[in-house]
Amino acid sequence: ILNVEQSPQSLHVQEGDSTNFTCSFPSSNFYALHWYRWETAKSPEALFVMTLNGDEKKKGRISATLNTKEGYSYLYIKGSQPEDSATYLCAFVDYKLSFGAGTTVTVRA
Amino acid sequence: GAVVSQHPSRVICKSGTSVKIECRSLDFQATTMFWYRQFPKQSLMLMATSNEGSKATYEQGVEKDKFLINHASLTLSTLTVTSAHPEDSSFYICSASLGGGSGYGYTFGSGTRLTVV
Repeated sequence: ILNVEQSPQSLHVQEGDSTNFTCSFPSSNFYALHWYRWETAKSPEALFVMTLNGDEKKKGRISATLNTKEGYSYLYIKGSQPEDSATYLCAFVDYKLSFGAGTTVTVRA
Repeated sequence: GAVVSQHPSRVICKSGTSVKIECRSLDFQATTMFWYRQFPKQSLMLMATSNEGSKATYEQGVEKDKFLINHASLTLSTLTVTSAHPEDSSFYICSASLGGGSGYGYTFGSGTRLTVV
């Protein structure tokens, strides 16, 4: 079983503030890392597919970086809005997706 | 975009009965679907990989006779929890790859909350 860890488990952010959180994964035999956003009662939505060391991807106010040598990825939310409230999952990809337990973000208005 | 429709979203069943969960790809053909299970405050755990027209591949520790998977068409995969017991109560969710291998994002259903009483 691959060890994919996300921290913190949850965080509360004031509207307008920026935040970031971490996904750590095995640094050997890296193929790809996925980030998903999962709102309550909805389907997880793919945010980023990251494949190269040093990758930086951006989608609106959300961005992610990747360090495959040390085995971590950061996801950043700039200027948090209430609609950013969700659980953010990372998944290490080999022959399957191995998920972290997620970071639940709550943005307070 | 690609959509996977999963039903039911919530089901309560009596112990000993069987429950079928369906996942349909609405606007694409899914040759492979994945079934996950999630316990409270834990991560999604892959149960099995469902391939159209062939037997599913189960992860270690998952009972294939307990969790029957059928993928008879390119747009429909089903998971049947047979002779359900309270310990089978969990959240089940399916996903499909849009192709191109694992380097592309996966499309998920919205999940099924199963409660066995």
